[in-house]
Amino acid sequence: KQEVTQIPAALSVPEGENLVLNCSFTDSAIYNLQWFRQDPGKGLTSLLLIQSSQREQTSGRLNASLDKSSGRSTLYIAASQPGDSATYLCAVRPYSGGGADGLTFGKGTHLIIQP
Amino acid sequence: SAVISQKPSRDICQRGTSLTIQCQVDSQVTMMFWYRQQPGQSLTLIATANQGSEATYESGFVIDKFPISRPNLTFSTLTVSNMSPEDSSIYLCSVTPGQVGMNTEAFFGQGTRLTVV
Repeated sequence: KQEVTQIPAALSVPEGENLVLNCSFTDSAIYNLQWFRQDPGKGLTSLLLIQSSQREQTSGRLNASLDKSSGRSTLYIAASQPGDSATYLCAVRPYSGGGADGLTFGKGTHLIIQP
Repeated sequence: SAVISQKPSRDICQRGTSLTIQCQVDSQVTMMFWYRQQPGQSLTLIATANQGSEATYESGFVIDKFPISRPNLTFSTLTVSNMSPEDSSIYLCSVTPGQVGMNTEAFFGQGTRLTVV
């Protein structure tokens, strides 16, 4: 059974710092990996999708990497801003379903950016 | 991408009653899923809602407790039956646009925050 772990569970840093959020998964047979942010009382917003054959994806100040063989992904946030405060979730889709199965989520990293 | 509308956004229900949550998508999608997020926890997959056939449930979830309908490619409902306080959670609908086998993103509705008293 796939298990996804996110470290740290919580992080509070001053504005402007560069951050690294970590995600690890136990079964490397994944179809893709997706990073989300969740704001209090809201649904999930997709940030980045990394296909199993890719090593990284970038969107603005966000960069996500994937090392499938070691079961790890990192989300790098450059020049953090107070608006980045949210819970960041990592999720993997299993390879076995051919991409048609649901996601397995980590418990998230609760991020606070201090002004 | 896909825009997902979930109703209701929140509800407070009496134990022993049932609540039906609706999920409407702005485009036809093959893959639609229902998740639960218990307080302080991450998301757990309840079931895959299959159009024209019965839903596929994950371990620990059963059809009698969480019946799902999927009458067409843009709409699904999840019913939480015979509710108890342990059912208090956020329930989220998710879709993955595109064809099976393609690497497409998952999108989520805003969720339904359910409190059972």
